Parts: sequence; structure tokens; C-alpha cells
Amino acid sequence: NAGVTQTPKFRVLKTGQSMTLLCAQDMNHEYMYWYRQDPGMGLRLIHYSVGEGTTAKGEVPDGYNVSRLKKQNFLLGLESAAPSQTSVYFCASSSGLYYEQYFGPGTRLTVT
Amino acid sequence: GIQVEQSPPDLILQEGANSTLRCNFSDSVNNLQWFHQNPWGQLINLFYIPSGTKQNGRLSATTVATERYSLLYISSSQTTDSGVYFCAVYKTSYDKVIFGPGTSLSVIP
Repeated sequence: NAGVTQTPKFRVLKTGQSMTLLCAQDMNHEYMYWYRQDPGMGLRLIHYSVGEGTTAKGEVPDGYNVSRLKKQNFLLGLESAAPSQTSVYFCASSSGLYYEQYFGPGTRLTVT
Repeated sequence: GIQVEQSPPDLILQEGANSTLRCNFSDSVNNLQWFHQNPWGQLINLFYIPSGTKQNGRLSATTVATERYSLLYISSSQTTDSGVYFCAVYKTSYDKVIFGPGTSLSVIP
């Protein structure tokens, strides 16, 4: 089992560009999450999903969109990147809501 | 919202020493988790512990929900224990998970 994977691992964007981060899990988990982590801080929840076809806002959803078209995949989109979105993005999944979350390796995004 | 505090913020240990990390939270919660982020950035779930005590090898955790705190014990520390330890709480009525600021642990040989 690969667990939770994220692509890409690194990305540099210019202000105003768009991109999509892909998260995939092979544990058949219903729940998936996108977090961002900024230097010296804990994680903040961006969006989450409680099942295929559903999404919900977390603590810091502005500037991001998500989709969960397949149970195993959770996509995070940035339509018009801003320097404030420079961060490390983590995806996670779990069998219950916030129960024993398994994390991907992270994506380091820099917006110049 | 819920405030989550962790102490100490930084900790340096000699290999083989024991330590206790603390997580305080300002309101009742429905679940609490401890995570370890290693120096390479990988996040690992250590314990899901809304109440009671759990043990996993050299690590154990206790949550006293009525007094709004949780403790993570690390015994016989090893250099591989280095990293940042986060607690995170969730309350159903707030519908959000809140991470603490973390405790940065360095274990030196």
C-alpha cells in the first residue's frame, strides 16, 4: 500500500497562475482533508470531504477550491495564486471524521 | 473558538532521557490527537486519545478531558524522536480541527 500520495512535491508559481494539487489514497477512507502549514505554525484546515462528491470548508478556505470526484482522490485548486499562498500543503485521509489521520508527504508551493 | 497551548515550546534531551509534553485546551472537545512531524516534514499520527491512557512502545499518552489537558510521555528517548510534536483537538459543534503550536524536540546522542 502506498498510503497517501501527493503530486507534485514542489512547485513554483507566478502570481496569478493556477494549479491543481492531487492527493490519492489507497486505504478506502471516506474522509479526506487539505491542510496548509506555514513556518513555525501548526496545520490549518483548508477544505475537507466526508465522501465522494462532497466537500466542505475548513478554517482557511478562501482562494482555494476542491473536488472529490472519486473516493480515492481529493484535488486542491488555486485559481489565481497569491504570494500569501506560499506554504507547505498536506493532504490526509481517515476512516472517521478527524479519526487517526494518515498524511501525505506534502507539497511545497512557492508563489512569487 | 478553542485555544490550544503546548508546553514546553522547545526541548533538548540527552539520548535515553524521559520527557513529558503537555497540551492544554480551553473547551471540551470530542477528540484529541497527537502527531509527530519528523525533521524531513513527514507527519505521523501517534495517538487518537479523546480520553484515558494509551501506550505504544516507548510512547504513551493520557488525556484528562474533564480538566482539559493531555500529556505525551516519551521514555528512553532516541535521536529518531527528534522533530515537532503537535496535538490537535476537534469539537463537533465548532466543526473544525485546531492544531496546537507544537513542541520542538531535539534528542542529542
